[in-house]
Amino acid sequence: KNEVEQSPQNLTAQEGEFITINCSYSVGISALHWLQQHPGGGIVSLFMLSSGKKKHGRLIATINIQEKHSSLHITASHPRDSAVYICAVRSIGAGTASKLTFGTGTRLQVTL
Amino acid sequence: DAGITQSPRHKVTETGTPVTLRCHQTENHRYMYWYRQDPGHGLRLIHYSYGVKDTDKGEVSDGYSVSRSKTEDFLLTLESATSSQTSVYFCAARQGYSGNTIYFGEGSWLTVV
Repeated sequence: KNEVEQSPQNLTAQEGEFITINCSYSVGISALHWLQQHPGGGIVSLFMLSSGKKKHGRLIATINIQEKHSSLHITASHPRDSAVYICAVRSIGAGTASKLTFGTGTRLQVTL
Repeated sequence: DAGITQSPRHKVTETGTPVTLRCHQTENHRYMYWYRQDPGHGLRLIHYSYGVKDTDKGEVSDGYSVSRSKTEDFLLTLESATSSQTSVYFCAARQGYSGNTIYFGEGSWLTVV
């Protein structure tokens, strides 16, 4: 069993829909990252969370440390949101190098 | 712009040849990482560096070596490339204090034939 599990693996939505991507992890963590990867492109950090909730534009990320679960929400989705969204955790005891463990990603396609 | 560039971006090489991928950063990040990305797997750590000449192995380090002679450059070498090393390689970097974000390069597509 992977330390970081994401669901769903694939998601298709129509423009304007509210989207939720989930991330569950099995280890104690000091931080959780949400990343975005466009086709053929690099990886961009969207959020880093250690508790609570963060919002940036139409993106909202929440984390529940007790339940070992995080969600990424996209409001009023748009085709340009089409990408792979990756959850990564920094486990407690990862050391000063803060190595991350990554989920396999959720592929989102938003259609017109 | 995270100031991280990788080279080459695309390379095809033959089995048994040595290959070096370069990661260059301009933001004086202390920590640098090399990952590989394969279908069905999350990004997996190959090697990382926590300072000049300070490196350590990640979870999939077999067949790879790294060097960091300057803060800005982190080199990944495949001593003798194998087909199993066909992958997309990402370099990443971050500053030296906890709680800060991580920045990625654009990726290097390597095919070993």
